[in-house]
Amino acid sequence: GEDVEQSLFLSVREGDSSVINCTYTDSSSTYLYWYKQEPGAGLQLLTYIFSNMDMKQDQRLTVLLNKKDKHLSLRIADTQTGDSAIYFCAEEGDSSYKLIFGSGTRLLVRP
Amino acid sequence: DTEVTQTPKHLVMGMTNKKSLKCEQHMGHRAMYWYKQKAKKPPELMFVYSYEKLSINESVPSRFSPECPNSSLLNLHLHALQPEDSALYLCASSPPANEQFFGPGTRLTVL
Repeated sequence: GEDVEQSLFLSVREGDSSVINCTYTDSSSTYLYWYKQEPGAGLQLLTYIFSNMDMKQDQRLTVLLNKKDKHLSLRIADTQTGDSAIYFCAEEGDSSYKLIFGSGTRLLVRP
Repeated sequence: DTEVTQTPKHLVMGMTNKKSLKCEQHMGHRAMYWYKQKAKKPPELMFVYSYEKLSINESVPSRFSPECPNSSLLNLHLHALQPEDSALYLCASSPPANEQFFGPGTRLTVL
């Protein structure tokens, strides 16, 4: 079945890099996504990667995809206090309209 | 206009009330979604409209009734809700499929 797993919590110091990891089960997913949710807010689409890519970089964000291991990661360079939030990875479900979300990783950035 | 808007931001209702949540987007997206999110959990898909037709209903109780009056608007009509329906209700839209853009949500409390 479809399942997406993430570690629950990550704490880093301001200025360090953060790496948030995700494992998924459906190897037929075309796209994989990273969303950010700040307290009391909706989800913000940060980036996505097409399944035939292994890396995508967008400013401070780097997404790595290992299809063999079904492992996705999000690296945030020079992490800032404003990056403190919950980060969800998501894969496509049995329809391109359906997203299967991980449980979310709470990132805490310490000054 | 590159955002999804939702009204109201907060809603408190009794179990006998009838209320509606509204969602609007002007990005020309042809798919619109309702999600329910409980605290510390990922969003759960409720409904998907594609080209103004209901294409996915995730076995949601009939006390939730979606409506898509046109390609820019999505409503969620609420009637006879239960306290356990208290949650953050998120609307999203997508081009037709793939990357979904979320609104800020409506925080619903059922007394």
